[in-house]
Amino acid sequence: DAKTTQPPSMDCAEGRAANLPCNHSTISGNEYVYWYRQIHSQGPQYIIHGLKNNETNEMASLIITEDRKSSTLILPHATLRDTAVYYCIASSTGNQFYFGTGTSLTVIP
Amino acid sequence: DTGVSQDPRHKITKRGQNVTFRCDPISEHNRLYWYRQTLGQGPEFLTYFQNEAQLEKSRLLSDRFSAERPKGSFSTLEIQRTEQGDSAMYLCASSFEGHFYGYTFGSGTRLTVV
Repeated sequence: DAKTTQPPSMDCAEGRAANLPCNHSTISGNEYVYWYRQIHSQGPQYIIHGLKNNETNEMASLIITEDRKSSTLILPHATLRDTAVYYCIASSTGNQFYFGTGTSLTVIP
Repeated sequence: DTGVSQDPRHKITKRGQNVTFRCDPISEHNRLYWYRQTLGQGPEFLTYFQNEAQLEKSRLLSDRFSAERPKGSFSTLEIQRTEQGDSAMYLCASSFEGHFYGYTFGSGTRLTVV
C-alpha cells in the first residue's frame, strides 16, 4: 500500500474549518484513502474514506485531487472535541492499515 | 450492541509472565483485527481473522504472541514470557468484510511490563 505523508501538527481556531492535508503520491488505482482520528486514550475512530470522488458525511468532507496524489480532510466547523491525532491511510485491501504518526490537530478556543 | 469491548483495560505484569487479552467484536462483524500502539506512534498491525480463520500475521507477531478466534466470535491475544518491550496499548477492531465500512476499534488494553 502507498505511503502517506502528513504534517506532524496543526492548529485551528474553534468554529473555523480545519483542513488537514495528506500526500499519497504513489497511490495506485485500487487503493482507497481512509481517514481515522484518535482522541487521547481512546481507540482510533473511522471518519471517512474515498477512492476517486469527493465524499461527505456527517463528520467531515474528503477532497481527493484529480490525479489522486493528495487529499484533504475538512472538518467544517471545528470544536474543542475535534482535538485529536488524524491519520490518513491508503489501502487496497482494507485488511491491514499503516497508520504512520498522523497529524496532531489542536483546536484553540 | 455496545461496540468493540476489550478486557482488561489495564494490565501490569512482571517480566517473564504470560498475559492474555480478550476482545469481543461487534456481533455482526466477521473480521477482527489486532493492533499494537506504543507512545507517540500510530497503531501497528499484528494480525486479522475472518470468522475463525487467521488470514494474515505481521512479522511483529513473534512466536511469543498467539491469537485465536474460536467459533468466529471473541478473540484472545496471548503474550508468553513478556518483555519490557511488549509494553504498549493493544487495540482490537472489527469490521464487515470489504472496504466500505471502516473498522470499529475498542478502547484497548494497556500493558505495562515491569
